[in-house]
Formats: sequence, structure tokens, C-alpha cells
Amino acid sequence: AQTVTQSQPEMSVQEAETVTLSCTYDTSESDYYLFWYKQPPSRQMILVIRQEAYKQQNATENRFSVNFQKAAKSFSLKISDSQLGDAAMYFCAYGVYGNKLVFGAGTILRVKS
Amino acid sequence: DAGVIQSPRHEVTEMGQEVTLRCKPISGHNSLFWYRQTMMRGLELLIYFNNNVPIDDSGMPEDRFSAKMPNASFSTLKIQPSEPRDSAVYFCASRWRTGGVVGSPLHFGNGTRLTVT
Repeated sequence: AQTVTQSQPEMSVQEAETVTLSCTYDTSESDYYLFWYKQPPSRQMILVIRQEAYKQQNATENRFSVNFQKAAKSFSLKISDSQLGDAAMYFCAYGVYGNKLVFGAGTILRVKS
Repeated sequence: DAGVIQSPRHEVTEMGQEVTLRCKPISGHNSLFWYRQTMMRGLELLIYFNNNVPIDDSGMPEDRFSAKMPNASFSTLKIQPSEPRDSAVYFCASRWRTGGVVGSPLHFGNGTRLTVT
């Protein structure tokens, strides 16, 4: 069974600094996709970034980027120039075509001003 | 695009009562998912549908839980009878299930916070 592990229950970062959230997953599939979702206190689930496993280039979305290491089954999220609005719970998710998404337990990110 | 619409936003009920949660997916999406979120267990997939057909309901806790998708624009999750341990936030999500290996993301509703006293 596929599993997603987020080993950091909580992280803190100073405003304007950079923080990296970790995610590892276990799979025997070769084609799959990965996502990072953000859940602020409003509880809305917001897509932050996505990565297809067949793409070697790491995805980027403005201040958000990933470090995708397929062999190591690692998918970390880097947030640059952190802002107060980045404070939220972040979930890593794994999915296989046509199938469900499996989510990690989440990492709470606190941003200090 | 109105997004995924869930109702009600909050539900408070007494143990033993029937609870029905509703979801309207994004128009054109052909896959629908029900997730439950608790502090202890995080986000758990309860059931998902492709083209209105239930594909995997292995996450449904027990027979008290049932889900239906009578058409492409509506789904319900019913709990009968409800118990205090069912208290959680229930999310509905939808996506376009593509024909290739590229996966489309889930679009989530705002969730229903259920409290069973």
C-alpha cells in the first residue's frame, strides 16, 4: 500500500526567511503524481504545487518550489521569502492515475514576525 | 466556476440521529471523493466515485456510513445512527479524471464540521 510520511509535525520560520517541509512516500509504481496542499485556519484545502513523476524538472510556483528526488522517494516543499499568510497546515499527497490521493499527516507551519 | 459546494457548513446533532452531508462537485468533473479529517487520524479517504460509480469504499468506517452519487452533480454522505466518535470535518473533493498518466489535482469544498453530542 502507498504511504506518505511527513516527519515534521511542526515547523517555524521567521518572516522573509526560507523554510523546507519534508515528505517521503512509499510506492512500487513508476508513474504517479505528487501535490502539496495548504490548509489555513479557515480549513479550506488549497493546492500549492504539483509534480508529475515522469518530469525530472522540479516544479515551481512563485515563492514555492519542490525538490523531487524520485530514487529517494522524497518530495520536499521550499517556501522562500516566507509571509505571515503562509502560516497553515501543509499536506503532502501522492496519487496514481485514476486512483485516490493518499495524504500525509501534515506539518503545521508557523511564521514569526 | 463556483467550486465544490458542500452543505451544511456546520452540523450539530445528538447521538443516534441521522446526518446527511451534501456535495455538489465542479461541473465537468467526473471523480468525487469524500474525506474525513480528525486530529488523531488526519485526512482519511472514505469513498470515491468515478463517473458516479463507487470505486473504493474501503475507508468507510462501518455500516452506519453510506454514500450515494445519483448523478454527476450531486453526492450525499449519510451517517445513521450517528455517534460522538463521528465528530470530524468531512470534505468533499472532485477532479477531472484524465485519460493519461498526468493526474489532475483534487478541488476541495470548504468542508462540513460535524459535532455529535
